[in-house]
Amino acid sequence: EPEVTQTPSHQVTQMGQEVILRCVPISNHLYFYWYRQILGQKVEFLVSFYNNEISEKSEIFDDQFSVERPDGSNFTLKIRSTKLEDSAMYFCATYLVSTDTQYFGPGTRLTVL
Amino acid sequence: ELKVEQNPLFLSMQEGKNYTIYCNYSTTSDRLYWYRQDPGKSLESLFVLLSNGAVKQEGRLMASLDTKARLSTLHITAAVHDLSATYFCAGNTNAGKSTFGDGTTLTVKP
Repeated sequence: EPEVTQTPSHQVTQMGQEVILRCVPISNHLYFYWYRQILGQKVEFLVSFYNNEISEKSEIFDDQFSVERPDGSNFTLKIRSTKLEDSAMYFCATYLVSTDTQYFGPGTRLTVL
Repeated sequence: ELKVEQNPLFLSMQEGKNYTIYCNYSTTSDRLYWYRQDPGKSLESLFVLLSNGAVKQEGRLMASLDTKARLSTLHITAAVHDLSATYFCAGNTNAGKSTFGDGTTLTVKP
């Protein structure tokens, strides 16, 4: 069964550094999302992406964040200058209209020191 | 803006017992999802509920939706240890953007 994949599984970075989190969505899915989950807390929506553009973003998704689909397969989340509070698990997800189901990747644990 | 509240947040059960997790949401939600999350793992989709009165069952778990009351329930029948996990409900007002509840951490004890 096709799955959403994410790399790396764990990223450690210094505060102020840029990070890029990568996702490979399921191939025939058209809607992509990034969510984050701070340890022990609920899952929070960051951004949705459809037809090669952002369709919606949350208040968390400020100017430090950006998304793109550089090569038609990967879907990336960039954090320009990481802060301590960006430490979280970041999940990529895709949505299939025909099943009304959202499929989550395994996540990238980001640790900002 | 959609808000989703779950209760209880923590639930300790004995094996063999039944219990229900409640999920209230604040405004109209097109879909209501239930997910399971094991520690350090991703979210596993359990149920998608689309319409008023929808009921879905998988093994010892049964989910229902009452759109008039803006309430969904996840009922656990004869709990077993393998059901220990955190369960999230999530409402959805656009294609895929989900608003999650705080989660219910379920511990099933022998």
